[in-house]
Amino acid sequence: TQLLEQSPQFLSIQEGENLTVYCNSSSVFSSLQWYRQEPGEGPVLLVTVVTGGEVKKLKRLTFQFGDARKDSSLHITAAQPGDTGLYLCASQGPGNNRKLIWGLGTSLAVNP
Amino acid sequence: DTGVSQDPRHKITKRGQNVTFRCDPISEHNRLYWYRQTLGQGPEFLTYFQNEAQLEKSRLLSDRFSAERPKGSFSTLEIQRTEQGDSAMYLCASSASSVYLQFFGPGTRLTVL
Repeated sequence: TQLLEQSPQFLSIQEGENLTVYCNSSSVFSSLQWYRQEPGEGPVLLVTVVTGGEVKKLKRLTFQFGDARKDSSLHITAAQPGDTGLYLCASQGPGNNRKLIWGLGTSLAVNP
Repeated sequence: DTGVSQDPRHKITKRGQNVTFRCDPISEHNRLYWYRQTLGQGPEFLTYFQNEAQLEKSRLLSDRFSAERPKGSFSTLEIQRTEQGDSAMYLCASSASSVYLQFFGPGTRLTVL
């Protein structure tokens, strides 16, 4: 069974600081998605990475996919209070149904 | 708004009552998923439809749970004889067959008293 491990589980930082969260698996990902979720809302897709070594940027967010496609990271530069939320990584499970398998998430709090 | 919608957004019920949730996917998406998320956890897969056919059900989906997608458009998830352990956020997502990206609705938060 493919499992996704995210770290850290909780992160509380001051506005302006940088941070990195990680998503790891013992299995190779076919693709990996990063989502952000606010309390009481559904997950919102941030990015999908597919190719080993791929780097994608979304404003102050930088997403990296490991060369072996077993790990990914999300780096936020100069965090702002609006970045507060739960960051989840997910990947398609085996089979044709494409159901998502999720990590537990990193709960980020950015304090003003 | 052409995204995934869910109704109701919040439901509070007493133990033993039945509840039904509705999901309206993005109109051209033929795949529809239900997930459940409890506090501090990532979502867990419940069931999946391709058009009107329910192709997979998780072991998490006990006999008290039933899902339908009668015309291949909207879907309903019913929980009979609710228990306190059913309290969770129920998320619906849809995708097109040609792509693997899933788009989520805002969820229905169920509280069973």
